[in-house]
Amino acid sequence: NAGVTQTPKFQVLKTGQSMTLQCAQDMNHEYMSWYRQDPGMGLRLIHYSVGAGITDQGEVPNGYNVSRSTTEDFPLRLLSAAPSQTSVYFCASSRGGSYGYTFGSGTRLTVV
Amino acid sequence: DQQVKQNSPSLSVQEGRISILNCDYTNSMFDYFLWYKKYPAEGPTFLISISSIKDKNEDGRFTVFLNKSAKHLSLHIVPSQPGDSAVYFCAASAGTNAGGTSYGKLTFGQGTILTVHP
Repeated sequence: NAGVTQTPKFQVLKTGQSMTLQCAQDMNHEYMSWYRQDPGMGLRLIHYSVGAGITDQGEVPNGYNVSRSTTEDFPLRLLSAAPSQTSVYFCASSRGGSYGYTFGSGTRLTVV
Repeated sequence: DQQVKQNSPSLSVQEGRISILNCDYTNSMFDYFLWYKKYPAEGPTFLISISSIKDKNEDGRFTVFLNKSAKHLSLHIVPSQPGDSAVYFCAASAGTNAGGTSYGKLTFGQGTILTVHP
């Protein structure tokens, strides 16, 4: 049981490049989310999904796209990377109800 | 607009004593609250949660208290151990009151760094 798997763990991008952060879970969880963590800001919600085919915006969605074609996968796409997107990104999943979210180990992204 | 606030950036306690971490919220639609623990270079780990229909929930050394009228919750760790040293985040969601899709939205506080000294 791998839980929530994020790839890559580290990435350096040049301004203007695009990339996809991968997230996969093997727990058959309906709910999945992407967060970014910045110093002094806690974790801020980027996008989330309540099931395959259903996504919605979080607190800081600009510059990011998501899709949920399967229950297992929830990739995060950076359309045109900017230095302000330098952050640690966490993917999380949950079965909902009284259960907390299970987080992946994170992707540390640097945009230069 | 910081809807969930942890006003203490850090807390230092002696091993064996009680650690009390505090969290305030402003959104009255929040009806579910969670605490997470995070070690460096790892993802947050779920610790304990509480629904707004309760005022206390216990799990071993961890107890969460909710004061709805004050919009305040706290996490008590008794006794504190050096392995508890980490960043603690409180989080809230408006899952039940606001409808099913809102459950997916967790709002986090800024975190409190807990250091437990041997």
